[in-house]
Amino acid sequence: GAVVSQHPSRVICKSGTSVKIECRSLDFQATTMFWYRQFPKQSLMLMATSNEGSKATYEQGVEKDKFLINHASLTLSTLTVTSAHPEDSSFYICSARDQTGSEGEQFFGPGTRLTVL
Amino acid sequence: GENVEQHPSTLSVQEGDSAVIKCTYSDSASNYFPWYKQELGKRPQLIIDIRSNVGEKKDQRIAVTLNKTAKHFSLHITETQPEDSAVYFCAAKRDTGRRALTFGSGTRLQVQP
Repeated sequence: GAVVSQHPSRVICKSGTSVKIECRSLDFQATTMFWYRQFPKQSLMLMATSNEGSKATYEQGVEKDKFLINHASLTLSTLTVTSAHPEDSSFYICSARDQTGSEGEQFFGPGTRLTVL
Repeated sequence: GENVEQHPSTLSVQEGDSAVIKCTYSDSASNYFPWYKQELGKRPQLIIDIRSNVGEKKDQRIAVTLNKTAKHFSLHITETQPEDSAVYFCAAKRDTGRRALTFGSGTRLQVQP
């Protein structure tokens, strides 16, 4: 299957700092990528849909000014957690759809564990 | 929007027994239903999926059934093994390009050796 990478895999930061997470599709082009957040022992909750060349679509309750998403190319989307606080500590996972592949299937990145002190 | 409910939240079986996890969905237009296995701290891995034009799909020890009228689908794992222990998520979406998956709440499966 298609490969999606995420960087960094783990980050620890101080409260108030900003953290950027990268999501890359390595062997396919993705006009759409999705950002999910997963708290311990909970399900994946969609935060936003990232569209190449246009503004991201955020889910209800997700602050767009706090979670900045940029999808500047067909293989890269970035999520920046601005002024991070301890309650933002979570597992952030991106996924991408291969626009030329089987309809529906999405490929997940390995996730980024964010810990805000 | 779509709402997916999953149960049970935890399931413990003896090695060799079968395990069944059930999900219901709310959006009658949803037509793609994948199942993911997630191990601790790792990404979800697709194990099987089904589309609404079929009622059942099987891949070795894993099978999925879909009842579109009742809007529910189930995962069946036969001859369970300890390495099947993980959290399993069902999901649903309309298969129209830019839609994201809506996940169920997850089932923690424990296979006792």
